[in-house]
Amino acid sequence: EPEVTQTPSHQVTQMGQEVILRCVPISNHLYFYWYRQILGQKVEFLVSFYNNEISEKSEIFDDQFSVERPDGSNFTLKIRSTKLEDSAMYFCASRRSGPGQPQHFGDGTRLSIL
Amino acid sequence: GQQVMQIPQYQHVQEGEDFTTYCNSSTTLSNIQWYKQRPGGHPVFLIQLVKSGEVKKQKRLTFQFGEAKKNSSLHITATQTTDVGTYFCANGDTGNQFYFGTGTSLTVIP
Repeated sequence: EPEVTQTPSHQVTQMGQEVILRCVPISNHLYFYWYRQILGQKVEFLVSFYNNEISEKSEIFDDQFSVERPDGSNFTLKIRSTKLEDSAMYFCASRRSGPGQPQHFGDGTRLSIL
Repeated sequence: GQQVMQIPQYQHVQEGEDFTTYCNSSTTLSNIQWYKQRPGGHPVFLIQLVKSGEVKKQKRLTFQFGEAKKNSSLHITATQTTDVGTYFCANGDTGNQFYFGTGTSLTVIP
């Protein structure tokens, strides 16, 4: 069964640095998402992406964050000037078009800011 | 974003006992999705409810959407150790954003 793949599985970065988290959604999916989960807490919606542009974004997704689909397969989340509180698991998800289609999540990238 | 609360936050049950988690919203939900996240894993979609009063079953799992579409529940009959994990409801908004509930962490004691 096709899967959403995320790289790297773990990223350790110094505070203030920029990070890029990568995702390869399932190939015939059209909607892409990024979520954040701080350890032991709920899954928080960051942004959704459709038709090569941001569809929706949450209050968390401020100017520090950006997303891009640089080619036909990758979907990236860039975090600039990282802060300690950016440490979390970041999940990518994708789904097909149409009502009721489930989101498929990747295994996540654990981001640790030092 | 919309706030979706879940209770309880934690639940410990003996294997074989039943388990229920409740999801509540102050606003009407267009639909509700349920996900399961195993420890160290990623959320896995279980089901989506759309209609007022809808009830769906998956083996030992029963999902219900309230008549007013402001609450939902997930009931597991005769829990097994494989049911361990955190269960999240998520509000599938009319747009393209999903707000997850606070989650209920289930521990099953063998």
